[in-house]
Amino acid sequence: EPEVTQTPSHQVTQMGQEVILRCVPISNHLYFYWYRQILGQKVEFLVSFYNNEISEKSEIFDDQFSVERPDGSNFTLKIRSTKLEDSAMYFCASSAGRLNEKLFFGSGTQLSVL
Amino acid sequence: AQRVTQPEKLLSVFKGAPVELKCNYSYSGSPELFWYVQYSRQRLQLLLRHISRESIKGFTADLNKGETSFHLKKPFAQEEDSAMYYCALCGNEKLTFGTGTRLTIIP
Repeated sequence: EPEVTQTPSHQVTQMGQEVILRCVPISNHLYFYWYRQILGQKVEFLVSFYNNEISEKSEIFDDQFSVERPDGSNFTLKIRSTKLEDSAMYFCASSAGRLNEKLFFGSGTQLSVL
Repeated sequence: AQRVTQPEKLLSVFKGAPVELKCNYSYSGSPELFWYVQYSRQRLQLLLRHISRESIKGFTADLNKGETSFHLKKPFAQEEDSAMYYCALCGNEKLTFGTGTRLTIIP
């Protein structure tokens, strides 16, 4: 079965630094998402992306966050100036159609901000 | 606003016993509900969704609009069912997850 892949699996960074989390969605999928899970808390929606633009974003997704699909395969999440509270597991997901279809998740990137 | 509540953080059940993981939701529109599962060291994956009304790995879930519930059930638990289970609601182009229930099957 095709998979969503995320790199790196772990990222450690200093507070205030920029990080880019990378994702390769399943090749024929059209909808892309980022979710995050702070340790011990629930999985939270960050942003959805379709047709080269953000279709929905949460209040968490402020000006420090941005997403990009720089080529035909990658989907990135950039955090401009990381804060301690950005430490979390970040999950990328994709789906072939709208959200009521099956969502495929990547294995996540554990971001630790020191 | 859409909200998903899973009242049990932890649930332990003996092998062979019935399992019920509770999920309640709040949503003003017509809900689309899912159960996702995360086994140890694996990624989040879809277990089932109410639209398809299917049984996966012996699990079923019925949407009860009157009680705004979507409880996950299995008549006979197996050891491989031990995992983290998340109920999720689809609305406004996003999935809202519950806090999850860690299910442990006792051999």
